[in-house]
Amino acid sequence: AQKVTQAQTEISVVEKEDVTLDCVYETRDTTYYLFWYKQPPSGELVFLIRRNSFDEQNEISGRYSWNFQKSTSSFNFTITASQVVDSAVYFCALSTRGNTPLVFGKGTRLSVIA
Amino acid sequence: DVKVTQSSRYLVKRTGEKVFLECVQDMDHENMFWYRQDPGLGLRLIYFSYDVKMKEKGDIPEGYSVSREKKERFSLILESASTNQTSMYLCASSTGAGGWEKLFFGSGTQLSVL
Repeated sequence: AQKVTQAQTEISVVEKEDVTLDCVYETRDTTYYLFWYKQPPSGELVFLIRRNSFDEQNEISGRYSWNFQKSTSSFNFTITASQVVDSAVYFCALSTRGNTPLVFGKGTRLSVIA
Repeated sequence: DVKVTQSSRYLVKRTGEKVFLECVQDMDHENMFWYRQDPGLGLRLIYFSYDVKMKEKGDIPEGYSVSREKKERFSLILESASTNQTSMYLCASSTGAGGWEKLFFGSGTQLSVL
């Protein structure tokens, strides 16, 4: 069975602090895909990144970076120099091979305070 | 710009009513999904469809049904609404290539059953 755990329910940081959102996944498949989505207060989930199980390279996109470690089954997301606009609920998700629907974690609510 | 449109942002219904939640996508996507989002529980999959007139049960299909008569439209039906179906409902779509394709989400429908 597939499972995604986001142990942090809520995080609050002061603007300009760095923050890391944790994601731990479980699957027996060797081929899988990991995702992060952002849900701002408007409600619409927005795709941030997709990573396949054969690519463990870390990725950086502006202030966002992702650290994928198969050894610990983790796919953590770091926001550098956080801003108020980063306040949202962030979801980590997993998909295994084939056309199976995404399995989502329960989300982490990030509040960035000015 | 690609779009998934949910017919209502807020909806208030009475217990026992039949409720239709409509979702339309303009991206010619094969796959469509219905999730519900509840505090502390994250996103849970209700039903999904990989093609017109096809449907598959997700993790929590009880009390719901779906209809997909046209490729672009996926309707969620609450046959007899109950108070425990008060929730945020999110529709999503993706291409048919595989489960690794990213989802595009609508803005959600906040349903209150009184």
